[in-house]
Amino acid sequence: EPEVTQTPSHQVTQMGQEVILRCVPISNHLYFYWYRQILGQKVEFLVSFYNNEISEKSEIFDDQFSVERPDGSNFTLKIRSTKLEDSAMYFCASRAQTGGEGPQHFGDGTRLSIL
Amino acid sequence: GESVGLHLPTLSVQEGDNSIINCAYSNSASDYFIWYKQESGKGPQFIIDIRSNMDKRQGQRVTVLLNKTVKHLSLQIAATQPGDSAVYFCAENPPQGAQKLVFGQGTRLTINP
Repeated sequence: EPEVTQTPSHQVTQMGQEVILRCVPISNHLYFYWYRQILGQKVEFLVSFYNNEISEKSEIFDDQFSVERPDGSNFTLKIRSTKLEDSAMYFCASRAQTGGEGPQHFGDGTRLSIL
Repeated sequence: GESVGLHLPTLSVQEGDNSIINCAYSNSASDYFIWYKQESGKGPQFIIDIRSNMDKRQGQRVTVLLNKTVKHLSLQIAATQPGDSAVYFCAENPPQGAQKLVFGQGTRLTINP
């Protein structure tokens, strides 16, 4: 069964450094997402991406965050200058275009630890 | 504001019994709902979904019930197995959003042997 894959599984970064989290969505999917989950809390929406542009973003997704689909398979999340509070699990998700609805399928996440 | 909450943070059932996990949502205009299962160290795994024009949907050993009158969603798992132990999240898709999901806090289900 096709799945969303994320790398690395764990990223440790010094505060203030840039970090790039990588995702390979399911190949025939057209909608892409990033979510985060702080330890012990619920999953929070960050951004959605469709047709090579951001379609919606949350207030968490400030100008320190950016997303990119550099080629036909990868989808990345960049944090320019990391803060301690950016420590969390980051999940990528993708969804096929099925008449406007359909479940989002998630990867297993990247654990980001900011020191 | 948008919020999806769960009535109980933990639930323990005996193996073989049925379990019911509940969820309350606040946006009456939400038109699509999903249940996810999250095992330790893994991402949310899709279980079952339901659209707002339905009140019940069945899958393999799982049933989702939607009560729009009281904005309530439930997940029933029949004949629970040890592998059902996980955190279960409901999520709603507010219509004004692109396709973002708003997640609840989660219920930890433990299956006792």
